[in-house]
Amino acid sequence: DGGITQSPKYLFRKEGQNVTLSCEQNLNHDAMYWYRQDPGQGLRLIYYSQIVNDFQKGDIAEGYSVSREKKESFPLTVTSAQKNPTAFYLCASSIVVTNEQFFGPGTRLTVL
Amino acid sequence: GIQVEQSPPDLILQEGANSTLRCNFSDSVNNLQWFHQNPWGQLINLFYIPSGTKQNGRLSATTVATERYSLLYISSSQTTDSGVYFCAAVTTSGTYKYIFGTGTRLKVLA
Repeated sequence: DGGITQSPKYLFRKEGQNVTLSCEQNLNHDAMYWYRQDPGQGLRLIYYSQIVNDFQKGDIAEGYSVSREKKESFPLTVTSAQKNPTAFYLCASSIVVTNEQFFGPGTRLTVL
Repeated sequence: GIQVEQSPPDLILQEGANSTLRCNFSDSVNNLQWFHQNPWGQLINLFYIPSGTKQNGRLSATTVATERYSLLYISSSQTTDSGVYFCAAVTTSGTYKYIFGTGTRLKVLA
């Protein structure tokens, strides 16, 4: 089945620790995105990548880092510099031409 | 940057009722999508509709790009329609960044 997978589904982290969220897609999409969603809110863009080995900051990139070494994979690292990391994180991908986005199931991160 | 506003923020319906959700955007858009976020958080694509009208079963959507709004129609609502509906737009400014509205939270009562 084609789609986007995110792991883990739930993640608990102690304050001061870095943690990496996985996002993989087998849709052959060029572009990938990371969003953050806080309770009762819409989605805010963290980082996006339109091509391998290139990525751009979104609206709330501080405290996060990404890499895009493979077309299929776009991992997100939440660093200790992120002051309020507890949130729901969603990964998406799209074909660059249409930019129609498809989302993964998300990862719920809780900082203890 | 572009502002995306959705109304109403909350909506409660009896099963079988119809509803219209609205999305206003402050700038010209290249793309616009409607999503349904289910209770587990999954965002499900409903429509990719930068302009015109589309229908999919009980749902339909219309985007009037020149007047900067989009409408999502839900007919004969069912309890499984409950959740949050988001619209998201990309401007014509050349970026690929979607801006999401704050959503309409729909609850359909049996």
